Amino acid sequence: DQQVKQNSPSLSVQEGRISILNCDYTNSMFDYFLWYKKYPAEGPTFLISISSIKDKNEDGRFTVFLNKSAKHLSLHIVPSQPGDSAVYFCAAHPRGSQGNLIFGKGTKLSVKP
Amino acid sequence: DSGVTQTPKHLITATGQRVTLRCSPRSGDLSVYWYQQSLDQGLQFLIQYYNGEERAKGNILERFSAQQFPDLHSELNLSSLELGDSALYFCASSVSGGNTIYFGEGSWLTVV
Repeated sequence: DQQVKQNSPSLSVQEGRISILNCDYTNSMFDYFLWYKKYPAEGPTFLISISSIKDKNEDGRFTVFLNKSAKHLSLHIVPSQPGDSAVYFCAAHPRGSQGNLIFGKGTKLSVKP
Repeated sequence: DSGVTQTPKHLITATGQRVTLRCSPRSGDLSVYWYQQSLDQGLQFLIQYYNGEERAKGNILERFSAQQFPDLHSELNLSSLELGDSALYFCASSVSGGNTIYFGEGSWLTVV
């Protein structure tokens, strides 16, 4: 049973527009959420995170929103750039798990010039 | 560059064989994690070590084992390899108590 779900395998967006990547989770014991970006032939790169006690965290063009009641988080990229084209993984940290993360299957974002 | 180093980057081997993947964590990180990414799959957590001791176990097969050495580098041993073991194997590390883990570039294993 997947505890972290990214239901959209792919997303295509025009350069300059907003990209919204979604993630749903089932375990209410997650206390920290992260987004990673992965280019082909490279390892995942940490992008942005949010604690479960917050509902928003912003870092430059990237903002993560957390809706605990809906068990849903989203990553907004504004404005989108062609260099943002990559696979984005949502990850969740179970409380007390000593660090290991549970990942979704990823969403492939394509930003078209 | 995350600071996590993995070798080899690519490996092709035959079914039934045994391979060892190596990982050096970021300087100062005590925790090492191993993840597997198969085709169309997300990142599956295999195992975590902290300062030489096993800390958590995920979906790791009995044919697989790992260890972390006193210098904090880690090795993942895969034995009796099957075609289905072909995957990208990532090592990651984190500081003590940290929630953010940093990944290496992965070791691509192909079993033929």
